[in-house]
Amino acid sequence: AQSVTQLDSQVPVFEEAPVELRCNYSSSVSVYLFWYVQYPNQGLQLLLKYLSGSTLVESINGFEAEFNKSQTSFHLRKPSVHISDTAEYFCAVRTGGSYIPTFGRGTSLIVHP
Amino acid sequence: NAGVTQTPKFRILKIGQSMTLQCAQDMNHNYMYWYRQDPGMGLKLIYYSVGAGITDKGEVPNGYNVSRSTTEDFPLRLELAAPSQTSVYFCASSTLAGSSYNEQFFGPGTRLTVL
Repeated sequence: AQSVTQLDSQVPVFEEAPVELRCNYSSSVSVYLFWYVQYPNQGLQLLLKYLSGSTLVESINGFEAEFNKSQTSFHLRKPSVHISDTAEYFCAVRTGGSYIPTFGRGTSLIVHP
Repeated sequence: NAGVTQTPKFRILKIGQSMTLQCAQDMNHNYMYWYRQDPGMGLKLIYYSVGAGITDKGEVPNGYNVSRSTTEDFPLRLELAAPSQTSVYFCASSTLAGSSYNEQFFGPGTRLTVL
């Protein structure tokens, strides 16, 4: 069975500082990887995804994530965060042939002015 | 497109009462899901459906029931509400994109309190 580990439950950071949110998964088969963001009192929305091709994927608001097969990781990064990035971030993994993703427990990103 | 809609947004139930959480999507997605979200616990899958007339249990199905009579609607039924069912409930849908499974689209959630 696949599993997803988000090592940090909470990441506090100052505005304009860089941030990395870590995600590791366990699967020996092909995977599809997703990062979702949840703003306060809202549902989850897709931030970025890796299905195939280039291992570096980017979102429209400056986040990027790199699929590292050897380390089974899909860490999320942003070089300079804004107050508006304060939210809960979830990593999710689907294995090939499965339509049910496995979610990590989430990382709360708190951006301080 | 409205995407995934959920009603109600909030609800308070007494122990033993029943209710139905409504979920609808207008994207013609085959796959639909119900999750509950508890603080610090991420998302737990309750039930899912791969198409009209087909449903299956997820990780935490006890105390819940679902039906899928149409592609668009996937209601979640709580028969005898218990305090342990106090949570935020999310409905989601997804579809295939070529040979790849695409992302899920989530509704805004229903916040349920059982007292």
